[in-house]
Amino acid sequence: EDKVVQSPLSLVVHEGDTVTLNCSYEVTNFRSLLWYKQEKKAPTFLFMLTSSGIEKKSGRLSSILDKKELFSILNITATQTGDSAVYLCAGTDNAGNNRKLIWGLGTSLAVNP
Amino acid sequence: DVKVTQSSRYLVKRTGEKVFLECVQDMDHENMFWYRQDPGLGLRLIYFSYDVKMKEKGDIPEGYSVSREKKERFSLILESASTNQTSMYLCASSLPGTGLTRGLFFGSGTQLSVL
Repeated sequence: EDKVVQSPLSLVVHEGDTVTLNCSYEVTNFRSLLWYKQEKKAPTFLFMLTSSGIEKKSGRLSSILDKKELFSILNITATQTGDSAVYLCAGTDNAGNNRKLIWGLGTSLAVNP
Repeated sequence: DVKVTQSSRYLVKRTGEKVFLECVQDMDHENMFWYRQDPGLGLRLIYFSYDVKMKEKGDIPEGYSVSREKKERFSLILESASTNQTSMYLCASSLPGTGLTRGLFFGSGTQLSVL
């Protein structure tokens, strides 16, 4: 059965710390892995990663996928209180119609001032 | 920016009531989705629509139906609400195919409580 597992489930850090969030996946006919940030209600899209191994960056956030070990990490450097959120990852397969997103349970990150 | 609007942020209903959750997107997306999100269970797909009047069951369609009469609007219907349908409901939209490169666009969610 396809699955996506995120770790840790929750994390508390101080402002300025660097954090690494993990997402391992087992997806038949894997196509890509998506990262989302969920503050309050609506998840917002962060990155899409494929087996190409290309690192994605956006400001203090970066992410990479290891196609051999079947996991992805999301790094946040110099954390700020605004980074407090639930971070979700989801795997997709080659169906290509978005229906087969397999979601992890998320990592809840709290950044304390 | 893509906007996905859900009609209510909070909703309280009684057991047995018929409940309508409305979702409207303004970016002409073909795909629309309804998820529910529960602690410890994550996001679970209820229904998916890839075109007007087209729908597909997701992982947990029991107790729900949907309607897509216009491209921009996707409604989730609880025919007879039950307490186990108390949850956060999230609507999302995307483009087909290449939509995966841009991900799903989510609405702000509706927290439904069924008493």
